[in-house]
Amino acid sequence: GQSLEQPSEVTAVEGAIVQINCTYQTSGFYGLSWYQQHDGGAPTFLSYNALDGLEETGRFSSFLSRSDSYGYLLLQELQMKDSASYFCAVLFSGGYQKVTFGTGTKLQVIP
Amino acid sequence: EAQVTQNPRYLITVTGKKLTVTCSQNMNHEYMSWYRQDPGLGLRQIYYSMNVEVTDKGDVPEGYKVSRKEKRNFPLILESPSPNQTSLYFCASSLSTGTTNEQFFGPGTRLTVL
Repeated sequence: GQSLEQPSEVTAVEGAIVQINCTYQTSGFYGLSWYQQHDGGAPTFLSYNALDGLEETGRFSSFLSRSDSYGYLLLQELQMKDSASYFCAVLFSGGYQKVTFGTGTKLQVIP
Repeated sequence: EAQVTQNPRYLITVTGKKLTVTCSQNMNHEYMSWYRQDPGLGLRQIYYSMNVEVTDKGDVPEGYKVSRKEKRNFPLILESPSPNQTSLYFCASSLSTGTTNEQFFGPGTRLTVL
C-alpha cells in the first residue's frame, strides 16, 4: 500500500533551521504537499512540489526527488509560532483521486 | 469570507444512534473530502468527491456514508456509530484535482461515541 513516513518529533532552537523529511513508497501521484497544524486547529496549506527540485515560499522551502522517493520541508529563521505539527501529503493520479497524508511531525521550537 | 464550515463542532452520542455531520464551502470548489484524525495516525481520508454526484472511497470508508447533491455541501453520515469512530473529523475542499492540491479545511468536529 501507499505510505508516507515522517519523524514523529523534532526539536529545534529559535532562529535556527530545521528540515522535516518525508519518505514514501508509492508512485503515480501529482505532487507532494505540506500542511501545518497547530494544536487544536485545522491543517493549513504551506507548499506544493509538482516537479523535482526546490520551491521557496518565504521562510519555508520544500523539496521533492521522485527518483529517491523523498521530500522535505525546510523552515528557516525559526520562530516560536512555528511550533506545530507538519504533514506531507500526496494526491494520487490515474483513475482515482485519493489523498494520503504522512504520519506527521511535531515540531517544538525552544528559546 | 472564503471558508469551509462544519457542524456540529462537538458531539457526544451513543452507539447506534444515526448522526450527520454537515460540511459546506463557499468557494465553488469541485473537490471535497472527509478525514479523520487520530493520535499517531495522522489524517486518513474517509471519502472524497470530485464533483456533484461523484463520490469515492478513501482509505477508511467502513461505517461511513456521504452524498454530494449540491456542489457546496458534502455531509458525512454515520448510520450506526460505534466507539471506534470516536475521532476528530475534518472536511476539506479544493478547486480541482491535479493542481496544487491546496485543500482548505473546516474547523473540525470532535465526535465521541459512548
